[in-house]
Amino acid sequence: GAVVSQHPSRVICKSGTSVKIECRSLDFQATTMFWYRQFPKKSLMLMATSNEGSKATYEQGVEKDKFLINHASLTLSTLTVTSAHPEDSSFYICSAPLPGQAFNTEAFFGQGTRLTVV
Amino acid sequence: AQSVSQHNHHVILSEAASLELGCNYSYGGTVNLFWYVQYPGQHLQLLLKYFSGDPLVKGIKGFEAEFIKSKFSFNLRKPSVQWSDTAEYFCAVSELSGGSYIPTFGRGTSLIVHP
Repeated sequence: GAVVSQHPSRVICKSGTSVKIECRSLDFQATTMFWYRQFPKKSLMLMATSNEGSKATYEQGVEKDKFLINHASLTLSTLTVTSAHPEDSSFYICSAPLPGQAFNTEAFFGQGTRLTVV
Repeated sequence: AQSVSQHNHHVILSEAASLELGCNYSYGGTVNLFWYVQYPGQHLQLLLKYFSGDPLVKGIKGFEAEFIKSKFSFNLRKPSVQWSDTAEYFCAVSELSGGSYIPTFGRGTSLIVHP
């Protein structure tokens, strides 16, 4: 089946540094990818929709200058957390739907990235 | 490590049929349980969640799920499906590990409802 790979799975960084998270669709082309964030005891929160070749669409309340998203190719989207702070520590997960399906119902998730800012 | 199994990968039903989607997880400790839905062309949405209390949880659009601890299960149900329920459904489990909740998702179940 289709696979979405997210890297790294865990990262620890110092406050003030930037961290890049990659999301790759391994065996299909993804014109759209979704980035989520999950807080403890809460459900996933959609942060932004990443569109290949154009600007990402951010959800209300998500700082676009802090969470930079680049979707430079049909198989790769990156999320860069700039000037990270401890409150940015969280679990980030991407997903990508399969294109070309009759109902476009299948979406595949990356395994997630646990970011800890110290 | 936690694993989440969704037994039904593809389900096809007619309208008004009853639905039950299975979800089992492997962790025996404290967990939080979720069902998410993704409608065609849309992002993921939360259907319902269980943290504690009444093991029968009611969510949006007539969905409900029952947490059975002894069976490590959190099956999703709906008594009468509609065409608009056609979507991808994901079970997710968060376990407490090292002071943080680590979520694990099932691979998803594709539901197609014929009118």
